[in-house]
Amino acid sequence: EIVLTQSPGTLSLSPGERVTLSCRASQSVSSGYLAWYQQKSGQAPRLLIHGVSTRAIGIPDRFSGSGSGTDFTLTISRLEPEDFAVYYCQQYGSTSITFGQGTRLEIK
Amino acid sequence: EVQVVQSGGGLVQPGGSLRLSCAASGFTFSSYEMNWVRQAPGKGLEWVSYISSSGDTIHYADSVKGRFTISRDNAKSSVYLQMSSLRADDTAVYYCARQFIYWGRGALVTVSS
Repeated sequence: EIVLTQSPGTLSLSPGERVTLSCRASQSVSSGYLAWYQQKSGQAPRLLIHGVSTRAIGIPDRFSGSGSGTDFTLTISRLEPEDFAVYYCQQYGSTSITFGQGTRLEIK
Repeated sequence: EVQVVQSGGGLVQPGGSLRLSCAASGFTFSSYEMNWVRQAPGKGLEWVSYISSSGDTIHYADSVKGRFTISRDNAKSSVYLQMSSLRADDTAVYYCARQFIYWGRGALVTVSS
């Protein structure tokens, strides 16, 4: 199974700042089948990005994804108060789908 | 409007069984694959199982293989997760999701004596 390692584990930032989250895979992710999710406490995850860089419907353009092979990033260009949450990457290119352990964004 | 409504969580003893249900509406259910994902208290997301639109293709995480069974009834626009030989580490909120885009609100399963 493909292991996804996200870094850092926690980030403390202020609204308005730019942030880049990292997701590294233990082997190449097939056909760029890499997604990013946002999850707030007590809520189901929300799909942000699929196919490495395609924003899901309704996702603001301050969210962007990039990468290839084993290294992927999610960038939030300017943090809004509602962006403070936990973010997960996911690979869905193999029959055993896996998630990263998550990165928590905290308000500084 | 797409809706995914879950039911069936609860408290079960170790070794017991439980069935989760997920009823969908607002789209042609028979055209879409479905997944189950779980989240242990205070932990991250763990994919559990996948079923194709027709039900012909099914996959499981190694952690549940041989104990959990996913199924669907396209006539009822529903997907199910039959869980047996439950263990304490199966305690989690279980989500069903259509293509990981539309998610249910989750059902808490607690395995404890």
